[in-house]
Amino acid sequence: DAGITQSPRHKVTETGTPVTLRCHQTENHRYMYWYRQDPGHGLRLIHYSYGVKDTDKGEVSDGYSVSRSKTEDFLLTLESATSSQTSVYFCAISVSGTTGSNEQFFGPGTRLTVL
Amino acid sequence: DQQVKQNSPSLSVQEGRISILNCDYTNSMFDYFLWYKKYPAEGPTFLISISSIKDKNEDGRFTVFLNKSAKHLSLHIVPSQPGDSAVYFCAARGNAGNMLTFGGGTRLMVKP
Repeated sequence: DAGITQSPRHKVTETGTPVTLRCHQTENHRYMYWYRQDPGHGLRLIHYSYGVKDTDKGEVSDGYSVSRSKTEDFLLTLESATSSQTSVYFCAISVSGTTGSNEQFFGPGTRLTVL
Repeated sequence: DQQVKQNSPSLSVQEGRISILNCDYTNSMFDYFLWYKKYPAEGPTFLISISSIKDKNEDGRFTVFLNKSAKHLSLHIVPSQPGDSAVYFCAARGNAGNMLTFGGGTRLMVKP
């Protein structure tokens, strides 16, 4: 257990409304990531962070922004939600393990529905 | 264009038999390959990884094989158990930011 929590776990919202998802970690890991999971697409990287105030875009960043003002919190914001952003969102952290692969550990996910 | 592909969306095997899940990739710069298992309503969990300089890594019932010339890796589960029923994702690590590129997943069903 890498101590990752996500909130909320479920959210239903309407098109055009802003939405913020929160990822919280308890172990001061430097790297944090936001993914979305959609059928047939696996997990796709939205944004990632390599430190406080240091973030960069991933594969599917359009329509999303992120912020990291503290090591433990990584926020994902949909400024104006659209139906195409209905998905399951996962936060992850990267851990330097003995294998060298820096495997990522995932939170439990947030299911977002945009009507 | 997908850099990591899992061409079989689903696989069904009998309990006790071998499960073989396949993954193909296109980017020769990937340096690590990882397998994750995902149960419904949970986050993916790390299963096993392999470095690009190796061709096999084993951990209990799970073995990952890497064929660099074919840009192909496979996960073998022997013997398969009903609790192995889940969606399996392969992932490949690039050089920047420890980022992973995931395949689309294969749903494994192990029948008792």
